[in-house]
Amino acid sequence: GEDVEQSLFLSVREGDSSVINCTYTDSSSTYLYWYKQEPGAGLQLLTYIFSNMDMKQDQRLTVLLNKKDKHLSLRIADTQTGDSAIYFCAEKDSGGYQKVTFGIGTKLQVIP
Amino acid sequence: EAQVTQNPRYLITVTGKKLTVTCSQNMNHEYMSWYRQDPGLGLRQIYYSMNVEVTDKGDVPEGYKVSRKEKRNFPLILESPSPNQTSLYFCASSAGRMNTEAFFGQGTRLTVV
Repeated sequence: GEDVEQSLFLSVREGDSSVINCTYTDSSSTYLYWYKQEPGAGLQLLTYIFSNMDMKQDQRLTVLLNKKDKHLSLRIADTQTGDSAIYFCAEKDSGGYQKVTFGIGTKLQVIP
Repeated sequence: EAQVTQNPRYLITVTGKKLTVTCSQNMNHEYMSWYRQDPGLGLRQIYYSMNVEVTDKGDVPEGYKVSRKEKRNFPLILESPSPNQTSLYFCASSAGRMNTEAFFGQGTRLTVV
């Protein structure tokens, strides 16, 4: 079955860039997502990328996709304390229904 | 405001006492699903529904039931809760096959003692 892997924890200093990495196994993935979960809240979609794209930029966020290596990364420029959260990588397969497989989440800690 | 509403937000119950967690969306979305979130395991899909009266099992359906009698509601039913169902539960909805975004509820923290 599909599998999405992420590291558990990342700590960065305020103002630095954060890079959160993710690998996935499903070669038929159509969309890949990054969700953000703040304490006590649900998941909020940050950005997504189609599987036929290499890069997507949205303000401070840059998503890079290496389809050959099945590697996805999220770069947050000028990281702020408000970016402290858990970040989930997720992929949607090309099957007939919208099955989305999530990684375990990377906890980003921003040090002031 | 577009939203997915779950109730209750917090629930402590005893083993074997049937409970229902409600989920309602106001976006006329076809697709709804339930996830549980556990430390070190991320989000695992319990059940999903592609439309009214169409439901199917996700990755961890044991011990759960769902129903989809109306488009907006997708309740999660635990007929006989057990302590291993202590978890944080999320309901999500999205518009359809080509839609990329799932909207999540705020979560229900369930403790079964």
